[in-house]
Amino acid sequence: GAVVSQHPSRVICKSGTSVKIECRSLDFQATTMFWYRQFPKQSLMLMATSNEGSKATYEQGVEKDKFLINHASLTLSTLTVTSAHPEDSSFYICSASRREGLNEQFFGPGTRLTVL
Amino acid sequence: DAKTTQPPSMDCAEGRAANLPCNHSTISGNEYVYWYRQIHSQGPQYIIHGLKNNETNEMASLIITEDRKSSTLILPHATLRDTAVYYCIVRVGNAGNMLTFGGGTRLMVKP
Repeated sequence: GAVVSQHPSRVICKSGTSVKIECRSLDFQATTMFWYRQFPKQSLMLMATSNEGSKATYEQGVEKDKFLINHASLTLSTLTVTSAHPEDSSFYICSASRREGLNEQFFGPGTRLTVL
Repeated sequence: DAKTTQPPSMDCAEGRAANLPCNHSTISGNEYVYWYRQIHSQGPQYIIHGLKNNETNEMASLIITEDRKSSTLILPHATLRDTAVYYCIVRVGNAGNMLTFGGGTRLMVKP
């Protein structure tokens, strides 16, 4: 149990286009989902916290108009990178916490975004 | 959340125990110690967590000192597949709280 999936696993896009990344909790309901970004040889950096049915909370320095987060249901959150630029190329990872019970976070496998 | 300090890298021989230390001297009474690992180009994987008692599961053991200012993750019989970056994180146990990742320890298991 406690599986989180991400789609796509890898995406290459042209500069100026928008890319949507999906994060799904497959076998549990997630009240909270988190989006992280990881640049090569660096640690994970939290971008935003997303609660079902409410607006996401963004970390300082993360542009909310550029990184649109939607958490429409207890099993799905999406991150849309709008007008992507090469500097947005990174490894994007989501995680989800269960509604109840154990309090560890479960991570998705990540999405590798390359902007040309 | 309290800050943690880990050695940047460690080596371990295959089949031997890997002991990964973590200092968290400013930990608060309601903060748990969590361990995650990240194998190259994958999402982090939960390993274990504890509050003050030692914990063991099928992956590892967690030893927390009595004053809770440090802990050690033990992989009893390391394999090549355990090569990864290991993150020690302390946070309040509420499921809605974020995880703050530090630099972690890059464990290299060698044949």
